[in-house]
Amino acid sequence: KAGVTQTPRYLIKTRGQQVTLSCSPISGHRSVSWYQQTPGQGLQFLFEYFSETQRNKGNFPGRFSGRQFSNSRSEMNVSTLELGDSALYLCASSPELDSGYTFGSGTRLTVV
Amino acid sequence: GQNIDQPTEMTATEGAIVQINCTYQTSGFNGLFWYQQHAGEAPTFLSYNVLDGLEEKGRFSSFLSRSKGYSYLLLKELQMKDSASYLCAGEEGAGSYQLTFGKGTKLSVIP
Repeated sequence: KAGVTQTPRYLIKTRGQQVTLSCSPISGHRSVSWYQQTPGQGLQFLFEYFSETQRNKGNFPGRFSGRQFSNSRSEMNVSTLELGDSALYLCASSPELDSGYTFGSGTRLTVV
Repeated sequence: GQNIDQPTEMTATEGAIVQINCTYQTSGFNGLFWYQQHAGEAPTFLSYNVLDGLEEKGRFSSFLSRSKGYSYLLLKELQMKDSASYLCAGEEGAGSYQLTFGKGTKLSVIP
């Protein structure tokens, strides 16, 4: 059974650009969550999608957005990149609430 | 919301037992997860406690006391490969669908 797949693994962008990250959940998982991980703040919740609907959003500016497609794949977008957006972006999928979250290997974004 | 605290770093000897504590202040709390994360890798699921008490799974055990806002992860017969960060995460309830993580405890296992 394939795990959670995130692409790309590494990305370097310039300040002011925008970026789109992709996440393919485990087959059959309909919930997809996104987290930002930095050395100083640890893992912080960005948003969660279920059946193409955003059910919850964390305390991040509107530059961070996401969506989920009918096949449960999800994308997150960050516009007008800032140096502070450099982080590991992790996606996690779950078949349903309370069933555990399986994380992908993440996309490491560096903003220069 | 939740505030999750855990020690930043710990060191233990190969073959020993180590306990990593996690305290939280929460409203609408649903359950508590422990994840292991090796440097540069994805967090991997270790345990989930929703009821008070001890859950044992091989060399790893996890304990939860909801009334005290306290959990711990117990690692027995430590191996060098157990050197990693251990993340405590509270699951928000009541339709929140999110995990709130502590900043992680970096465990170093020494010979």
